[in-house]
Formats: sequence, C-alpha cells, structure tokens
Amino acid sequence: GENVEQHPSTLSVQEGDSAVIKCTYSDSASNYFPWYKQELGKGPQLIIDIRSNVGEKKDQRIAVTLNKTAKHFSLHITETQPEDSAVYFCAASIERNQFYFGTGTSLTVIP
Amino acid sequence: ETGVTQTPRHLVMGMTNKKSLKCEQHLGHNAMYWYKQSAKKPLELMFVYSLEERVENNSVPSRFSPECPNSSHLFLHLHTLQPEDSALYLCASSQGTGVSFGTDTQYFGPGTRLTVL
Repeated sequence: GENVEQHPSTLSVQEGDSAVIKCTYSDSASNYFPWYKQELGKGPQLIIDIRSNVGEKKDQRIAVTLNKTAKHFSLHITETQPEDSAVYFCAASIERNQFYFGTGTSLTVIP
Repeated sequence: ETGVTQTPRHLVMGMTNKKSLKCEQHLGHNAMYWYKQSAKKPLELMFVYSLEERVENNSVPSRFSPECPNSSHLFLHLHTLQPEDSALYLCASSQGTGVSFGTDTQYFGPGTRLTVL
C-alpha cells in the first residue's frame, strides 16, 4: 500500500516568517493530495488540496506544490500568524476510498 | 463547524463495558468513515461506508463494530476494549458517489476522546 512520510515533526517559526512542510509518497498511482489543519480539541479541517494534474495551487497565504516525478508535495504558509499554530497533516489518496495520512507536523508560530 | 457532529466528546470506560460512539453528518454526503488517531501515529482508517454499505474494513478487531443505519448516521459499538484502544476516534464524511470517491474531500467531526481503564 501507499506510504506517506512527513517532515518535520515539529516546526517553530517567528511570526511573519514562512513555514514549509514536506511530504513524500510511494505509490505513483496516488492522484489526490489534501492538507489538513488540526487545532487542539478539534478534528482535522481541510485547508488546501491539489490533484495530480496540477503542479501548484495557492489560496491567500497558503500554497501547495506537487512534484509527481519525485513523488513529493509541500505546504507553504507565508506571513505566518499565531493562529496558524496547529498540527498539519498531509495525505495521499488513490481512487477507491483510501486516504493515507502522514504523521503530522506541529507548527508553533512565535509572536 | 464542518457539518459533522460526534457524541460523546469524551468517554471513559472499563474493559468490560459496552458503549457506542455516534456520528451525524448534515452535508448530504453518501460516504462515512471511522478513523483512529493515536499520538505520534498517522490517522488509521478503520471503516468506510458508502450508501450505507460497508466497503472497507481495515483489519479492525471485532471488539469494534460499526453500524450505518442511513447515510447521515454512523455508529461505532465498543465492547471488551483494551487500554491500547484509548485514542481519539474521528468520524468523517464525503460525497461518496461513484467508484472513485476516494479522492473526494473528507470532512471531519471533532472526535471522541476515548479512555479505556
């Protein structure tokens, strides 16, 4: 099956700086890559996603890039704010209901 | 709010108890999921239902028993659990139509924090 690795496991940045989280996947058939943000006491919330026919997608301060050849994708958060502090999960999905999640990155934005 | 609710939010049970977790989605979706979230581990998919039929059972022990009476409700019945079953149990839903609904966006509930004594 698919194996998704996520790095780093923890990340601290100063407010206003950028944060980058990287994930690799093993199955070249994966074609959907969502990113989820999980705040304390809440379930994961989708923040951005990308499909395999697109190389980059941006939504305000958040962007995701996908390199299908290298089988990795990254989350970029610019101009970080304290409310960006949370655990971020990447996932890779193949058709037919299988989401494979990374182990999460705990992001702390220092005011 | 994501439109997916879970009750109870916290549950403490003994190893001999029987309890149930409930999930309800108000999004008109056709697929529902149970995940287990443990510290330092990826989310583990437990069960998937599409149009009220179970389509995935990821080698989950029989002490976990899912039930999907309709497309809006999903239950997880628990009995004779072990302390290692303590975790956050998350429910999710997605559009869930067609054979390739695995790439549909999933919307998660807030989870039930389960502690098994």
